[in-house]
Amino acid sequence: ELKVEQNPLFLSMQEEKNYTIYCNYSTTSDRLYWYRQDPGKSLESLFVLLSNGAVKQEGRLMASLDTKARLSTLHITAAVHDLSATYFCAETGTASKLTFGTGTRLQVTL
Amino acid sequence: GAVVSQHPSWVICKSGTSVKIECRSLDFQATTMFWYRQFPKQSLMLMATSNEGSKATYEQGVEKDKFLINHASLTLSTLTVTSAHPEDSSFYICSARPGTKGTEAFFGQGTRLTVV
Repeated sequence: ELKVEQNPLFLSMQEEKNYTIYCNYSTTSDRLYWYRQDPGKSLESLFVLLSNGAVKQEGRLMASLDTKARLSTLHITAAVHDLSATYFCAETGTASKLTFGTGTRLQVTL
Repeated sequence: GAVVSQHPSWVICKSGTSVKIECRSLDFQATTMFWYRQFPKQSLMLMATSNEGSKATYEQGVEKDKFLINHASLTLSTLTVTSAHPEDSSFYICSARPGTKGTEAFFGQGTRLTVV
């Protein structure tokens, strides 16, 4: 059974500081996704990582994938309040259906 | 990007009644659609996978007679919660995938179901 674990589950961030969320998965993956979810809303796609060593960046967020370690990271640079949300990683495994991580709730404080 | 429309965005129903949620792909044909349920402060749990013209595949522990899924066309899938109970109250999210395995799925806006 595919398992996807994220840590931390909750992250209180100070503005302008850097943080990293970790996503570990248990089986060989086709691709790894990162999503953002605001309270009461659906998912917003952030990144799709397709291969070992893939790195993608958008604004203050950068995601990377290490398939050998079965690890993806989401790095936040110089956090700002707008980034407060819950972030999920998800991967498809071999069954082509998404399995989501536990989620990481980010809260940026002044 | 591709648009998936889910309706209604919220619904309140009485215990024992049924409620239908629609998921439409607006600008692409969806070979496969997925239905998820999300309880407060938890992750998304896949309920079932539906392919157009065939029966849905339900995840372990999901009652197929309670959560009826119909994928009658390449642009529409419906989830009907039958004989709803308060414990069915949740956030339901659909996603639709344009092609075969390997293409990204796009998410609907979600439906907040409250059973009173």
